[in-house]
Amino acid sequence: EEQLVESGGGLVQPGGSLRLSCAASGFTFSGYSMNWVRQAPGKGLEWVSCISSTSSDTISYADSVRGRFTISRDNAKNSLYLQMNSLRAEDTAVYYCARGQSLDPWGQGTLVTVSS
Amino acid sequence: QSALTQPASVSGSPGQSITISCTGTSSDVGGYKYVSWYQQHPGKAPKLMIFEVSKRPSGVSSRFSGSKSGNTASLTISGLQAEDEADYYCRSYTSTSTLMFGGGTKLTVL
Repeated sequence: EEQLVESGGGLVQPGGSLRLSCAASGFTFSGYSMNWVRQAPGKGLEWVSCISSTSSDTISYADSVRGRFTISRDNAKNSLYLQMNSLRAEDTAVYYCARGQSLDPWGQGTLVTVSS
Repeated sequence: QSALTQPASVSGSPGQSITISCTGTSSDVGGYKYVSWYQQHPGKAPKLMIFEVSKRPSGVSSRFSGSKSGNTASLTISGLQAEDEADYYCRSYTSTSTLMFGGGTKLTVL
């Protein structure tokens, strides 16, 4: 079964940092680009970042996180990461990882709360 | 990066058909075949329903179909069922090599 499992969410103070992880299983992780998508409480979906299958090819970010968030991957560990720095209250959301251009499948999400 | 425009809500009775629109620009919806639709039930992760404008993933009911005309994409659900009640989001690739979602549409099955 193709599966994505996020971890690393939690409560962090404004200005703080957090690193999210996404563990992939059931498919050839190194063959796909990967994305992070977030959803603030009661709000819609917002694309955050994408990384190509080989990391060195293409990385892109939403304007709202560029310069603060860094996406990376370790194909040997079948894992995707999101390093989040200078966190703001508006970054509070459930963060999902999703596979490929079509965003399929999605993980169950991990909640990040930025609050003092 | 403004969101693609979707109606906030649509509704229909069981057995009826409904269509959800998703309007963008020539730099996103109108310029690429990479338009997808996602279904999200409360408290659950989104699920891919349509990709590349009109293709259905394996396991998705044929009651779901997608199309595009100019800068507007559409999702049609025929033979509405109670379990179709959910939030629906469109998503497009953009000219800046990013992805953009619509604001979401809440479907109510009356």
